[in-house]
Amino acid sequence: GAVVSQHPSWVICKSGTSVKIECRSLDFQATTMFWYRQFPKQSLMLMATSNEGSKATYEQGVEKDKFLINHASLTLSTLTVTSAHPEDSSFYICSAPSKGEGRAREQFFGPGTRLTVL
Amino acid sequence: GQQVMQIPQYQHVQEGEDFTTYCNSSTTLSNIQWYKQRPGGHPVFLIQLVKSGEVKKQKRLTFQFGEAKKNSSLHITATQTTDVGTYFCAGPSGGYQKVTFGTGTKLQVIP
Repeated sequence: GAVVSQHPSWVICKSGTSVKIECRSLDFQATTMFWYRQFPKQSLMLMATSNEGSKATYEQGVEKDKFLINHASLTLSTLTVTSAHPEDSSFYICSAPSKGEGRAREQFFGPGTRLTVL
Repeated sequence: GQQVMQIPQYQHVQEGEDFTTYCNSSTTLSNIQWYKQRPGGHPVFLIQLVKSGEVKKQKRLTFQFGEAKKNSSLHITATQTTDVGTYFCAGPSGGYQKVTFGTGTKLQVIP
């Protein structure tokens, strides 16, 4: 299957700092990528849809000024958590839909980034 | 909004026993996907069901899509320790390629 990478795999930062997470599709082009957040023992919650060449679409309740998304190329989307606080500590995962026909396609997930804000 | 619930939330089974997780959507789904997430890992796609009443098998795993396309199930026969993880169903939630993940069922297999 297709490969999606994320960097960094984990990060610890002080409260108030900004953290950038990269999501790359390694062997295919992705005009759309998704960013999820997963708290311990919980399901994946979609935060936003990253669209190449246009603004991201945020889910209800997700602050777009806090979670900045940039999809500058067909293989790279970045999520920047601005002025991070301890409550932002979570597992952030990106995904990209596979290529192919039809509306429904499997999602290829990156390995995730574990963010800890002190 | 759309809700996708799974039961049970947790399941402990002895190795060799069977396991089933059930997925129920508040809305009719055009398709349902299943993912497995190992502890500390990321979700990995298992399968997609599209047709009403569809049944698909992958070795010891049997996936079923309900006739009304609002529920689905995953059944594992004779569990092994490698089956440990959390199983999520996911259904389309409007928007291009967007999916809503179910609440998940965490499976623990006791050797």
